[in-house]
Amino acid sequence: NAGVTQTPKFQVLKTGQSMTLQCAQDMNHNSMYWYRQDPGMGLRLIYYSASEGTTDKGEVPNGYNVSRLNKREFSLRLESAAPSQTSVYFCASRTGTYGYTFGSGTRLTVV
Amino acid sequence: DQQVKQNSPSLSVQEGRISILNCDYTNSMFDYFLWYKKYPAEGPTFLISISSIKDKNEDGRFTVFLNKSAKHLSLHIVPSQPGDSAVYFCAAERLYNQGGKLIFGQGTELSVKP
Repeated sequence: NAGVTQTPKFQVLKTGQSMTLQCAQDMNHNSMYWYRQDPGMGLRLIYYSASEGTTDKGEVPNGYNVSRLNKREFSLRLESAAPSQTSVYFCASRTGTYGYTFGSGTRLTVV
Repeated sequence: DQQVKQNSPSLSVQEGRISILNCDYTNSMFDYFLWYKKYPAEGPTFLISISSIKDKNEDGRFTVFLNKSAKHLSLHIVPSQPGDSAVYFCAAERLYNQGGKLIFGQGTELSVKP
């Protein structure tokens, strides 16, 4: 099925561990985004990539890094996980004025 | 600094009645406003949008109203159905040469009771 695929769907990390959240889209979209969703906070933008080869910080970039590996893939890395990074992470891609498509999310718990 | 705000965390409505979800924003430079719907364990899905140069957009049971002077928009769902029960996010975007980025509100959880 065409869309945005995120892996893994669930993950538990210990404080200080690192991990990479993977995102891939097969819609030939130029722009890709990483959001986190927390109760009462809505979705907050972590990083985005307007096109292949470019990345920019969003509202809450601290503690994260990203890589736009190619046009299809945009990964989010936590170098040293902290409990404050417990959240649900959504990847999205877009084309056109408002054609955002979201993945189904990665639920991350840091203990 | 919360640029997009949804001040009602939850709303409960009887089936068949109107649901009105509200959203306020602070940045007058936004070009588009959008509503997304989210079910548990799924990603948000696009529902309806409105350009900043319009004051109303309608799509079936869903209508979005924009009041720029008040920096306020609302989503009306008529008639409400139990399947509309979900979290609704208001979002806004300012477009740049290389695209844009969505700024979301906190969300309102709508419950439509049979």
